[in-house]
Formats: sequence, C-alpha cells, structure tokens
Amino acid sequence: GQQLNQSPQSMFIQEGEDVSMNCTSSSIFNTWLWYKQDPGEGPVLLIALYKAGELTSNGRLTAQFGITRKDSFLNISASIPSDVGIYFCAGPRTGTYKYIFGTGTRLKVLA
Amino acid sequence: GAVVSQHPSWVICKSGTSVKIECRSLDFQATTMFWYRQFPKQSLMLMATSNEGSKATYEQGVEKDKFLINHASLTLSTLTVTSAHPEDSSFYICSARVTGGANTEAFFGQGTRLTVV
Repeated sequence: GQQLNQSPQSMFIQEGEDVSMNCTSSSIFNTWLWYKQDPGEGPVLLIALYKAGELTSNGRLTAQFGITRKDSFLNISASIPSDVGIYFCAGPRTGTYKYIFGTGTRLKVLA
Repeated sequence: GAVVSQHPSWVICKSGTSVKIECRSLDFQATTMFWYRQFPKQSLMLMATSNEGSKATYEQGVEKDKFLINHASLTLSTLTVTSAHPEDSSFYICSARVTGGANTEAFFGQGTRLTVV
C-alpha cells in the first residue's frame, strides 16, 4: 500500500537555526499536508499543497510539493523553542479522502 | 473556522467495559469523519471512515464489532470501544473534512487518551 517516509526521524537544533525535513513516497500523491503535533494533542494543520511544484509559506514555515509528486519538503526558518513537536506529512490515498500519515519527524530545539 | 472537538480528552476504564468517544465538527458539516489510533512514539494509523447515514468502513485488521462507529448527524460521529482490554489503551483521534469544500484538508480533534486498567 501507499506509505510515507519522513526524514530525519528526529533532530536537535539550536534556537535560531533553520530546519529542513522531507517526506517521500514510492507512489504519487495529489495533495500533501503538513501537520504539527504537540504532546497529548491532535495534529494541527500547518500547510496544504495541491499542485506539483507549488511552494507555500505560512509565517516561518515553507513547504514545497515535489515536481515528481512523490515527495514534499518542509522548512522552518529561525527556529524557536515552541517549534518543538512532531511534524507529520500526510496525503490522501488515491481516489479517496482517507489520509495516511508519514512516520514523523521529532524536532527538539535547544535554547 | 473548521474546528473539530473530541470528548472526553481522557478516560480510564476497567477491562471489559465499553467506552464512547465523541467527535464533533463545531462550525461546519462533515458527511465523512475519520478515526485514527496512535500508540506512543508512533504515527497515526487510520482505523475507519465514518459516513453520515450509512455504515462505517474499516481498515484491514480493525475489528468492526469491537470499534463501533455511529455517524448519526452531519456534525457528530461516535466511536465506542466495546469490551475494552489493556491493549486497547491508546490515543484516539478523529478528523473531519468540510463537506463540499473545494479543498481536501482534514482537521483534527484534540484526541482522547484511553487507558484500560
């Protein structure tokens, strides 16, 4: 079945640094969503991407829909302590609205 | 807009009892809602799709008789964990998509942590 693999699995960064993470799949997706999940909370939508090659920003966050439709990238600029959490990519199974989630990237920011 | 609310946020129950979790779309209608389960340090796994006015569809390996889903209105879906056992302890999260919306974003509730003792 369709799977989404995220890398890195986890990362420690210094406050103020930029962060990059990606999400890849062996199959094509027509939509990519990026979520952040804080401990004990549900995921919160950060950015939605709908077109191959699309680059979308939300504050310090920028995400891109890969032109092959098999990958997506999320960048966080000038990280701050509240950026700590788990970042998930998600995409709908082909022909459905059923979202599957990536393996997640756990971000820890050192002040 | 697009707020999804779950209740309760956490629940502890005795083994063998049943627990009901509610998922409500507060400011939009959702003919379809989704239920996920998340074990510690793992990703979200789709359990079932809840369809308003019809039967839910379950993912492979998910017991429909154990996880009863009812979607009686356009704003409410419920998940009942029947005869709960300690291995059912998990974080259960629902999501909903805006019916008729042009885009396909899914919005999530805050989750329900179930502990079966």
